[in-house]
Amino acid sequence: GAGVSQSPSNKVTEKGKDVELRCDPISGHTALYWYRQRLGQGLEFLIYFQGNSAPDKSGLPSDRFSAERTGESVSTLTIQRTQQEDSAVYLCASGSYYTFGSGTRLTVV
Amino acid sequence: KNQVEQSPQSLIILEGKNCTLQCNYTVSPFSNLRWYKQDTGRGPVSLTIMTFSENTKSNGRYTATLDADTKQSSLHITASQLSDSASYICVDHGGSQGNLIFGKGTKLSVKP
Repeated sequence: GAGVSQSPSNKVTEKGKDVELRCDPISGHTALYWYRQRLGQGLEFLIYFQGNSAPDKSGLPSDRFSAERTGESVSTLTIQRTQQEDSAVYLCASGSYYTFGSGTRLTVV
Repeated sequence: KNQVEQSPQSLIILEGKNCTLQCNYTVSPFSNLRWYKQDTGRGPVSLTIMTFSENTKSNGRYTATLDADTKQSSLHITASQLSDSASYICVDHGGSQGNLIFGKGTKLSVKP
């Protein structure tokens, strides 16, 4: 596609539930990144994919967070047993110039 | 600790006026220093990317400067428009993949 697409754009979930966030990068981009942006804060790095491999997952805050990428394309960020502190905008970017999607706003109630 | 600090935190200006946003960074040497514009509810959009050897780069009404000696960058917006209202984020790219250090941004409001 023409840009990075993320879905859903908004997600409200109950504490303790699992959520899956999806990122469709720009076609042909082998690099894909996930970031988290809490209200009023800067972006925090979560994980980086090169192809389907994740050489840097140092930013994942706990073992409740995981991500995968298939076909050197779509990536899914999964948060298990969500907590209120997980509430944030989750942003995906692709390519060496870091083209960002519009993000998924996650609210845990 | 690698940090990017931006000032001011927020700024209100009248349409048509100029403004300058500041950024101090710590990672050096770095791969590049970037400025992004983030509209409310949207992802950041790149405005400028400067390498270590560049000291100024323009993108329309946006001009970024870089002083590698003092580890400072600025973003100057000329003849502001209402659509310039957004957060402007300074980003230090330390060189390795994924190693972007984001400032918290300056929230700019342009009033008619």
